[in-house]
This record gives sequence, C-alpha cells and structure tokens, in this order.
Amino acid sequence: DAKTTQPNSMESNEEEPVHLPCNHSTISGTDYIHWYRQLPSQGPEYVIHGLTSNVNNRMASLAIAEDRKSSTLILHRATLRDAAVYYCILRAFNTDKLIFGTGTRLQVFP
Amino acid sequence: GAGVSQSPSNKVTEKGKDVELRCDPISGHTALYWYRQSLGQGLEFLIYFQGNSAPDKSGLPSDRFSAERTGGSVSTLTIQRTQQEDSAVYLCASSPEGRRMNTEAFFGQGTRLTVV
Repeated sequence: DAKTTQPNSMESNEEEPVHLPCNHSTISGTDYIHWYRQLPSQGPEYVIHGLTSNVNNRMASLAIAEDRKSSTLILHRATLRDAAVYYCILRAFNTDKLIFGTGTRLQVFP
Repeated sequence: GAGVSQSPSNKVTEKGKDVELRCDPISGHTALYWYRQSLGQGLEFLIYFQGNSAPDKSGLPSDRFSAERTGGSVSTLTIQRTQQEDSAVYLCASSPEGRRMNTEAFFGQGTRLTVV
C-alpha cells in the first residue's frame, strides 16, 4: 500500500485559511487521493477526493501537485468546528481498502 | 435510519469472554469496512467486505477476531476470548460501490469496547 506522510499537528486562527500538506511520493497512477477528518468523539467523515485535477466542494479545496507526489487540503476560512484530525489517504485501485495514517491534528484558535 | 448504525454503542466485558459487535450499513451500500481505534491512536484497518465476501482479511489482529456479513447488509465482528488490549473503539463504514474510486465511505459512531 502506498503511504502518506503528514505533519503531526498544525495550528490556525479562526477565519484564516489553512493549508494541510500531504506527501505521497510512492503513489501509483490509479490511486485516488482522499481526505477525511475526525472530529472529537466521532467517526471520520469524508471531506474531498481527487485524481489529478484540483477539486473544490463546499467543505474544502484539494490542490494536487503536477507529479501527484503531494497534495494540499485547503480550508478557506477555518472555524472552531474545523478542529479535528485530518487524514490523507490513497485509495488503492485493486483492493478498495482505505488505509488511514496518523493524520494531522488541526487546532483552531478564536 | 439514514446513516451507518452500530450497536451496542458501549460494551464492557470481562477478560476471556466473547463479544459480538454489529454494523448496519446504509441500505444499498455494497462495501463495508471495520476499523479499530485505540485511545489517542489512528484508525487500524481490520477487514472489508464487497457484498458478502471479504477479499482482504489481512488486518485482523489474530485468529480470535472474525467477521461475517449476510445478505449483503448487516455485518458482525466477533472477538473471542477478549483480552485487555482489545479495548478500543470499533468503527464500521460503508460505501455505495467499493470498486469505484469516486465514492466516499460513511462511518458509524463506533462501539466502545472495554475489557476488564
């Protein structure tokens, strides 16, 4: 399984943009990049995913490097409710497995 | 309900006893996943089902762990002869079509298992 590397923790102030990086240098051509987040005492929830092109949805944006060896989850205006652990995951083409790494714990300050 | 439902939400059991954890996926979802999360840790993949079959059982920690899925719907995770290190939150997730890369997984709230 291709692995991802994320910083253990990041901090942001409320209403500021947040850029959460993820390195995945061993990504294969058919791996999709998925992001999930886990709020305290809850199960993970889907945030966004992409293959090659940048993606936007109501929650966030996903910027994917041209060589696909890294990606960045962008929260345009952080709120206190965005405080969570954010997981960057490569979804393997032939196994459907979702393998979670250690994630980035995001703290948001008022 | 509209979401993934897990029961019980909390379970306290004595060391050596067997436990069964249940997951009701979202109706129509063909893929179902089980994960384990120990206190303060990340999610550990256990097993996933495509329909009633489990293509990958590699994450099961030992032969004391088993899982089944019937009718392409409900799944049960069974832990035999529980040990204290089995204490964790067990999370279930389902997704509409596991083999399509553009589908998201929906998680339940988990079962918190405490072995005393």
